[in-house]
This record gives sequence, C-alpha cells and structure tokens, in this order.
Amino acid sequence: GDSVTQMEGPVTLSEEAFLTINCTYTATGYPSLFWYVQYPGEGLQLLLKATKADDKGSNKGFEATYRKETTSFHLEKGSVQVSDSAVYFCALSDRRRNTGKLIFGQGTTLQVKP
Amino acid sequence: DAGVIQSPRHEVTEMGQEVTLRCKPISGHNSLFWYRQTMMRGLELLIYFNNNVPIDDSGMPEDRFSAKMPNASFSTLKIQPSEPRDSAVYFCASSSRGESYNEQFFGPGTRLTVL
Repeated sequence: GDSVTQMEGPVTLSEEAFLTINCTYTATGYPSLFWYVQYPGEGLQLLLKATKADDKGSNKGFEATYRKETTSFHLEKGSVQVSDSAVYFCALSDRRRNTGKLIFGQGTTLQVKP
Repeated sequence: DAGVIQSPRHEVTEMGQEVTLRCKPISGHNSLFWYRQTMMRGLELLIYFNNNVPIDDSGMPEDRFSAKMPNASFSTLKIQPSEPRDSAVYFCASSSRGESYNEQFFGPGTRLTVL
C-alpha cells in the first residue's frame, strides 16, 4: 500500500542554519504531497503542498519540490529560526482514488537553538 | 470561519468510565477524520467519514471505541469503558472532497488522560 518515510529526528540546528528534512514515498496512484507542521500543544496545520511532478510548494520560507523520479518531497529552509521548532509531517493523498484520506509519515522533530 | 472545533480540550477520567469526544467540522466540508496521537505510536487514523457515512474504521483499536456522525456538522468519538492505554491526544480533521488535493484542516485536539 501507499506509504511515507521521513528521516528520524530529532533534528537539532542553530538559528540561521540550513534545514533539510527528507521524505520519500511509495504510491501506486498519482499522489498529491503535503508538509504539515505541528507546534507544541496544537493540531497539525498545512505548511505547503504540491499536486504534480516538478511542482514546488513554498510557504514561510520553506520549500519542497515534488520529484517523481526519486519519489521524494524533501523539505528545505535556508535559515531556520527558533520559532520553527516543531514537528514536521510529510503526507500523501491519492487523487485518483479521491478518498480524502492522507497517509502520514512518522513525523520529524526540529529543535532550533538560539 | 472558526475552523474545526473540538471539545473538551482536556479530559481526565478514571478507568472504566465512558468518554465522549466531540467535533464540529468546518462548514461545507464533507469528509471528517478522527486521529489519535501518542509518543509511542505517533499519529494514527482511527476512522473517517464521507458525507456522514463511515468509510474506513479499520484503525479503531477495538470494540470499546465507536464513532458517529449524525449530521454534517457534528461527530462524536466514544470510548466505553476507557482504559489507561487510551490516554492520548485525539484530533478531528475535516476536508472538502471537491478539492483536488484533499487538504485536511485539523482541530486543536482533545488531550485525554485515563487514570
């Protein structure tokens, strides 16, 4: 079945460092891809998305490019801030089946130190 | 829009008691999802509804768990009887199947502690 694999955390960085969180997926259909972020004590919220190959999603300085050839959707940010400390989830949705169901990765905790 | 509303935000109960969690999805959304999050197991999908009809309840851990969606604006997740291992944060999310990319909007969660 469809699945999402993320790099294990926690990822600990100093402020202004470059961030990469790896995400790869397995899907038989034509997935849309998402990054969700969960700040402490809150629910998940959509950070960015991409609906087809080579699309780049971006928001709040974060970017991710839908790479069909490597089945990847890595999250990047050029300069992290302490306020970016959170748990990041990669997810996919099979648009062809259109069930609305999302398949989530296990989440990666990011800790940014001043 | 107020977003997805969940109540209560925190619930502390004793083992064996019945617990009912409530969710109001975003108006106009026709899909609703219940998740459970724990440190050990991460984020798990318990059940989801499309147009108020349960589609997949394979994630419901056992018969002690039940979920209903009597109308488009309200859903409940019930645990009876509750056990300490049910302690977790329970999230409700909603989406509109009309959207091609199926973005889900999450509520703030209910933190359940079973003593």
